[in-house]
Amino acid sequence: AQTVTQSQPEMSVQEAETVTLSCTYDTSESDYYLFWYKQPPSRQMILVIRQEAYKQQNATENRFSVNFQKAAKSFSLKISDSQLGDAAMYFCAYRRNTGNQFYFGTGTSLTVIP
Amino acid sequence: NAGVMQNPRHLVRRRGQEARLRCSPVKGHSHVYWYRQLPEEGLKFMVYLQKENIIDESGMPKERFSAEFPKEGPSILRIQQVVRGDSAAYFCASSPKQGGNGYEQYFGPGTRLTVT
Repeated sequence: AQTVTQSQPEMSVQEAETVTLSCTYDTSESDYYLFWYKQPPSRQMILVIRQEAYKQQNATENRFSVNFQKAAKSFSLKISDSQLGDAAMYFCAYRRNTGNQFYFGTGTSLTVIP
Repeated sequence: NAGVMQNPRHLVRRRGQEARLRCSPVKGHSHVYWYRQLPEEGLKFMVYLQKENIIDESGMPKERFSAEFPKEGPSILRIQQVVRGDSAAYFCASSPKQGGNGYEQYFGPGTRLTVT
């Protein structure tokens, strides 16, 4: 069975600083996708970044980047130059290549301190 | 360029009543997924549908819950005889294709169901 673990229920960061959110997952599959979603107070789920397991290069989207360690089954999210608008719940998610469903972690609540 | 639409955004039902949650996928998307989010938890998969077909309902409770995605109109998640434990946020997502090629799922804003 696939499981996704986020061991940090809460994190905080000073505005303009960098923060890393952790995520580990368990799978026996070799081909899969990993995602980070952001859920602000509006509860809308917003895709932040996506990583294909077959790609060794870490995905980057502007201030957001990941550290994907396939052997360690680790998928952390780094947010650089944190902004007040980054404050939200962040969910790590896994999906098999041929799968239908996403498996979500329990989330990390990020606070950005002005 | 409308995204996934869900209505209502908030729904209050008394125990024993029926709850109907609606989801209109992104235009052109034929795959719909329903997830439930309990307080302080991540989203949990419930069911995956294509037009007129249930493909995977492995996450759906066996009783009281049903889902459909008719040829015309939105997808409906129906909860009969609601109980307090059904109180949660229900999210719908859609994708243009199934599985492979990394198609992400586009999420709606969710429906918050409160059972009193």
